[in-house]
Amino acid sequence: AQSVTQLGSHVSVSEGALVLLRCNYSSSVPPYLFWYVQYPNQGLQLLLKYTSAATLVKGINGFEAEFKKSETSFHLTKPSAHMSDAAEYFCAVTTSGTYKYIFGTGTRLKVLA
Amino acid sequence: GVSQDPRHKITKRGQNVTFRCDPISEHNRLYWYRQTLGQGPEFLIYFQGTGAADDSGLPNDRFFAVRPEGSVSTLKIQRTERGDSAVYLCASSLASLRRNTEAFFGQGTRLTVV
Repeated sequence: AQSVTQLGSHVSVSEGALVLLRCNYSSSVPPYLFWYVQYPNQGLQLLLKYTSAATLVKGINGFEAEFKKSETSFHLTKPSAHMSDAAEYFCAVTTSGTYKYIFGTGTRLKVLA
Repeated sequence: GVSQDPRHKITKRGQNVTFRCDPISEHNRLYWYRQTLGQGPEFLIYFQGTGAADDSGLPNDRFFAVRPEGSVSTLKIQRTERGDSAVYLCASSLASLRRNTEAFFGQGTRLTVV
């Protein structure tokens, strides 16, 4: 079975600072990994995905994530935070041949002026 | 995209509610998730075509979902309880035996049971 752990339910950064949101996964087979963002009263929007191609994945709004098999990690980064990045971020895992998307508990990002 | 109706529903305890989801037309998989405050989406049920391939996430027999023609799905909750209050998310994806793509989510239906 797959699982996802997101370290830090709340993260605060200053505007212009580096954003780092952590995600570790567990899977007995090669995973597909996703980061979603959720704004208040909205559904989940895909930021980026890893599907066994390049290990460094670039997404929308300047976000990127690196798949590290040895560390079972898929951390999300952005070089310079913007006020509009304030939202909740979810990491999710699935695998080929399965169907469930398993989500972490989320990290709420706060951007300070 | 995926559309859900209604966006908000307030109901009295004991009443039945029905939510509708219209997925992306070419997608073959449809999911229902439930999300409570401060938590990630929790899997409820998954459809491949018209049949429920896995309903293991449905909390009890008050919850029921159908997808009769392989496109639109409805989720029904009978005799609602306060603990059913949550956001119910629908998602769809296009997948084959070899690979999964990302799931696309609707904006959700917020259920409040009073």
